[in-house]
Parts: sequence; C-alpha cells; structure tokens
Amino acid sequence: DAEITQSPRHKITETGRQVTLACHQTWNHNNMFWYRQDLGHGLRLIHYSYGVQDTNKGEVSDGYSVSRSNTEDLPLTLESAASSQTSVYFCASSETGGFPGELFFGEGSRLTVL
Amino acid sequence: AQKITQTQPGMFVQEKEAVTLDCTYDTSDPSYGLFWYKQPSSGEMIFLIYQGSYDQQNATEGRYSLNFQKARKSANLVISASQLGDSAMYFCAMRPWASGTYKYIFGTGTRLKVLA
Repeated sequence: DAEITQSPRHKITETGRQVTLACHQTWNHNNMFWYRQDLGHGLRLIHYSYGVQDTNKGEVSDGYSVSRSNTEDLPLTLESAASSQTSVYFCASSETGGFPGELFFGEGSRLTVL
Repeated sequence: AQKITQTQPGMFVQEKEAVTLDCTYDTSDPSYGLFWYKQPSSGEMIFLIYQGSYDQQNATEGRYSLNFQKARKSANLVISASQLGDSAMYFCAMRPWASGTYKYIFGTGTRLKVLA
C-alpha cells in the first residue's frame, strides 16, 4: 500500500543545532507540504512543493528550509533550532487534479528544542 | 484573506447523541473545497468528509454529514449517534480551487469528548 512516512518520530535537540526531518511518500504525488501543529494554532503551513525542484514558502517559513530533488522526498531542515520551533511536524501530500484532493498525512514528528 | 474559524475549542457530547462542530470560512475564490479531518489521541490525521463549493447537496459519509450553508460561509460537521471512539480533535480545512494552488488552510480545531 502507498504511504507517507516521517522520521524521526521523536527528536530532542539543543538550541542552535541543525535538524532535518525526513518525509517520504510512495503515492507518487506531485504536491508535498510541511505543517506544524501547535495548541491554539491548528496546523500552519511551513513550506510546500508542487514538484521536483519546486519549493515555496508558507505562512511560517522563517528558520526552515526544504528541497525537492525527487518526487518521493521533501526533507525539512531547521538551520539553527530555536525553542519556538518545539512542535509537532506533519508532512502531507496530495494529487494534482485528483478528486476530492484530500491531503494524505504522515504520522507526525515531535520535535523538542531545549 | 483566506481563513478558517473554529470557535469551539472543546466540546462534550453524550454517547449516542448527535453533535455539531462549527466551521466558518472566508475566501474570495468562487470555487473551493472544504474538508474535515479527525485527529485521535494517537496523533494521525484522518480524512473524514469533503464538500465542494458548487455541490448542491450536503455531503454525507456514514455517521458524518456536512451542513454546508454557502451564504453564511459555514461548513459544520455533524456526527450522528456519537461513539466513544469519536473522541478526538477535529479540524476543518479549505482549499481554494480558483487560485491555482493546492494549499490547504486549517482551522485551530475542536476537541470533542464523548461521554459514556
């Protein structure tokens, strides 16, 4: 079965360190997204990509970067982790032109920055 | 601005009763899709139901129905005959179609607790 997987599922790091969260999907979806989930804020879009070599900033992109070198993967990098980036991170994907076009989510990655 | 508003941070419902979770949206796009997701305590996001802006009828999926009132810009989720397993966080989301993007905007969520 097709799926979307995130790793690591749990990560504790220190302020200032670089962290990369991996996201791999086997749906062959062109569209991939990274969201962060925080209490009282719901899910907020960090970065998204509509295909290989395409990346775009979301509403909370400061301090994060992504790259898309193939269809399956969209790693999220925190260049210098800050305590404000402690959150649960979700990767998601969707079809281009599919109906109804719902998002398929990974299991989430819980990041703690000390 | 495109926005989803869920005004109920938390709700309680008695088992076997129906419950309505509110969602209002704001968009200038003439066509859009509205989605509801369930997030149980285990953390995964589960797609529940979809409503298109041009759909004439309210969407239904088993015990879930979407009360779509376009003029009021509301897309409330109705869960009939609540079960203990319905206890979860529920998110309303919107994807504007006409803007040519595939971005999804989420509300802040409603935490539902079903009481035995």
